[in-house]
Amino acid sequence: GAGVSQTPSNKVTEKGKYVELRCDPISGHTALYWYRQSLGQGPEFLIYFQGTGAADDSGLPNDRFFAVRPEGSVSTLKIQRTERGDSAVYLCASSLIPGLLEVGTQYFGPGTRLTVL
Amino acid sequence: SQQGEEDPQALSIQEGENATMNCSYKTSINNLQWYRQNSGRGLVHLILIRSNEREKHSGRLRVTLDTSKKSSSLLITASRAADTASYFCAIITQGGSEKLVFGKGTKLTVNP
Repeated sequence: GAGVSQTPSNKVTEKGKYVELRCDPISGHTALYWYRQSLGQGPEFLIYFQGTGAADDSGLPNDRFFAVRPEGSVSTLKIQRTERGDSAVYLCASSLIPGLLEVGTQYFGPGTRLTVL
Repeated sequence: SQQGEEDPQALSIQEGENATMNCSYKTSINNLQWYRQNSGRGLVHLILIRSNEREKHSGRLRVTLDTSKKSSSLLITASRAADTASYFCAIITQGGSEKLVFGKGTKLTVNP
């Protein structure tokens, strides 16, 4: 079936603007993750959903960042009052229910490259 | 903060040679995974090794895990130019959430 998809693939915005990044997980995957990757670094965890609820949001850097997954499928990462330091590739991943055979295997989307001018 | 640390940061080899990348971490783990990334975009899952496993193979890939030394290695045998990419190790900590904690990666270049 289809993999994880993310839209838009690129987003350029101005400092202070609001942006929304969308993630469509693999059908049937109940867990969804957001990561952020800066140039030359590995991905850094932001938030993880199990179903509709955020199971772990310890990676969100501050209250300008918020994510939702209202129906337990598609998720939107929302960034308010963007800053130049928010520029990065935002990656989404999904996985089957933790605890089953493929526990921990996360399947990543292509990412959204956010540039804040 | 990133707990996984890959070594070396960059590796350049000739096609046909073997490539070895190492990863060290600091906490107790549930499992350790290796991912590949081309051109700074989507990550591709390569292999997962659980904390009670010592070695796993998948095609030309061999992963070892030494939990006493908190380290893992990824060996790619008979490398090809198409193996050129960045390789990341990532851990799921024991007793923690399902989040992956990544290292900074090793940039592998395979010259034809």
